[in-house]
Amino acid sequence: DQQVKQNSPSLSVQEGRISILNCDYTNSMFDYFLWYKKYPAEGPTFLISISSIKDKNEDGRFTVFLNKSAKHLSLHIVPSQPGDSAVYFCAASLGEGKSTFGDGTTLTVKP
Amino acid sequence: NAGVTQTPKFRILKIGQSMTLQCTQDMNHNYMYWYRQDPGMGLKLIYYSVGAGITDKGEVPNGYNVSRSTTEDFPLRLELAAPSQTSVYFCASSLAGDTNTGELFFGEGSRLTVL
Repeated sequence: DQQVKQNSPSLSVQEGRISILNCDYTNSMFDYFLWYKKYPAEGPTFLISISSIKDKNEDGRFTVFLNKSAKHLSLHIVPSQPGDSAVYFCAASLGEGKSTFGDGTTLTVKP
Repeated sequence: NAGVTQTPKFRILKIGQSMTLQCTQDMNHNYMYWYRQDPGMGLKLIYYSVGAGITDKGEVPNGYNVSRSTTEDFPLRLELAAPSQTSVYFCASSLAGDTNTGELFFGEGSRLTVL
């Protein structure tokens, strides 16, 4: 049973528009939720996180929303830029930094 | 600042061979992890360590071994390589303690092919 799911394998948006990436989880004990960005042939890099006691965290163009009752989180990127094109992984942390990852969503931002 | 360094970047093994993937970090992080990523999938935790001398299994530990003799190094040993171990392996580290938000710092990955 996959505890963290990203149901959209890919997303394509126009430059300047909003990108919304979604993630669902099943374990209510997760204490932090994180988004990572990954370019080909590189390791994932941390983008933004949110504590399980918050419902929103914003960092520049990136905002993460957490809906605990629905066990759902989303990453909003506004405005989207071509350099944002990458694979985005949702992850959930359960103590000692151990994270469970979703399968990723490939974002393509078209100029 | 090098961060997390993995070697080798690429390796081809024959079935039954053994090898060690090296990982070192210079951020003085107590926590270190090994993940594998299969094509089109997310990262799965193989082993992790919360400090020198302490290791524990993750989600997919079979066929692997680890050791943690120093804070900096966390090598992953593959014994009797099998085609199912063909994957990209990522080493990561994180800060321990109350400020640990789960943020992981990853190496660039090691692509292993078993033929």
